Amino acid sequence: DAEITQSPRHKITETGRQVTLACHQTWNHNNMFWYRQDLGHGLRLIHYSYGVHDTNKGEVSDGYSVSRSNTEDLPLTLESAASSQTSVYFCASSVSGTSGGTGELFFGEGSRLTVL
Amino acid sequence: LAKTTQPISMDSYEGQEVNITCSHNNIATNDYITWYQQFPSQGPRFIIQGYKTKVTNEVASLFIPADRKSSTLSLPRVSLSDTAVYYCLVAGDDKIIFGKGTRLHILP
Repeated sequence: DAEITQSPRHKITETGRQVTLACHQTWNHNNMFWYRQDLGHGLRLIHYSYGVHDTNKGEVSDGYSVSRSNTEDLPLTLESAASSQTSVYFCASSVSGTSGGTGELFFGEGSRLTVL
Repeated sequence: LAKTTQPISMDSYEGQEVNITCSHNNIATNDYITWYQQFPSQGPRFIIQGYKTKVTNEVASLFIPADRKSSTLSLPRVSLSDTAVYYCLVAGDDKIIFGKGTRLHILP
């Protein structure tokens, strides 16, 4: 079955280190998204992509970058990890909505990142 | 993007019908209304989407009045497993912005 997978599921790192979270989907979806989820803030959009070589900033993009070199993958990189980036990160994908509306988002299981 | 307002939390009992209302006064003409459900330690899951009037699927119903400034998610005969956070979203394209959601707690 098609799916969306994230790795690693859990990671502990130190302040200042570069960290990359992987997201891989096998649905051939054009749209991919990264969110972070923190208590009291719900889900916040970090970056998103509508297709290969397309990337866009979301609500909380500072300190994060993404690249889309193929349809299946959208890795999220923290260039220099900070304690404020301790969070649960969710990747999602969708096809564009048909007959109007937005496409249904399919989420990965999340990656819990702790920055010490 | 239109912002949404929904109750922070709600309690209900097993077997009851639960209605969660969401306000979106600034909804745009091309915006759709979508609801997601999230269980602890999982990503959100799509429940239902609508533009106007009523939409029903095997899980829930969505009621949207003519002015579209609010919407109500209706969950029939809830069970303990319906305890989750429910998000109301409005969007006209595929860029989905989540609010803080409603934490629904079902009691036995």
